[in-house]
Amino acid sequence: AQSVAQPEDQVNVAEGNPLTVKCTYSVSGNPYLFWYVQYPNRGLQFLLKYITGDNLVKGSYGFEAEFNKSQTSFHLKKPSALVSDSALYFCAVRSFTGKLIFGQGTTLQVKP
Amino acid sequence: DAGITQSPRHKVTETGTPVTLRCHQTENHRYMYWYRQDPGHGLRLIHYSYGVKDTDKGEVSDGYSVSRSKTEDFLLTLESATSSQTSVYFCAISEFSSGVFYNEQFFGPGTRLTVL
Repeated sequence: AQSVAQPEDQVNVAEGNPLTVKCTYSVSGNPYLFWYVQYPNRGLQFLLKYITGDNLVKGSYGFEAEFNKSQTSFHLKKPSALVSDSALYFCAVRSFTGKLIFGQGTTLQVKP
Repeated sequence: DAGITQSPRHKVTETGTPVTLRCHQTENHRYMYWYRQDPGHGLRLIHYSYGVKDTDKGEVSDGYSVSRSKTEDFLLTLESATSSQTSVYFCAISEFSSGVFYNEQFFGPGTRLTVL
């Protein structure tokens, strides 16, 4: 079965500190992985994706994600968090049928 | 929100009534999707469309139907609304290409539906 897990419901980090939002996946074949962010009362915004190639993917707003095939993980990272990064983050994987399977989401809280 | 609008943005209705939500895109993307978002469940796919008049079911399609008569419009209908269908509904679009599995989806602003 194909699935995505975000093991933390909430991540708290101080402004200026590095942040990590965790994601692990289970999928048949090559994984196509995505990160989205959702601000309050808004739709999801695409941040970045991994298709193939370099394991470190750079995306919007200074975010990056590290693909680790042996650990089946795709953690979202940022070197220095901003208060404005506070939002709900979703990891997703493309199933073999082409549909996106989403994790349950992780709330990131960045405190001044 | 990538040229995607949803209407209405908010709706309160009563159990047993039919409800239609509309998604309109100006991007001319081939694929369109309807999701529902509920706490603890992330986003779950209801139905999707891979072209005009071409639709298929997602993982939570019971109680919902869709129609797509034009590239730009994708309608979601709750045939007889129930309280379990209280949720936030999102429309999404994605482009078609040879690498369709690679293409990200772009989301509309959402419709908050309350069924009393």
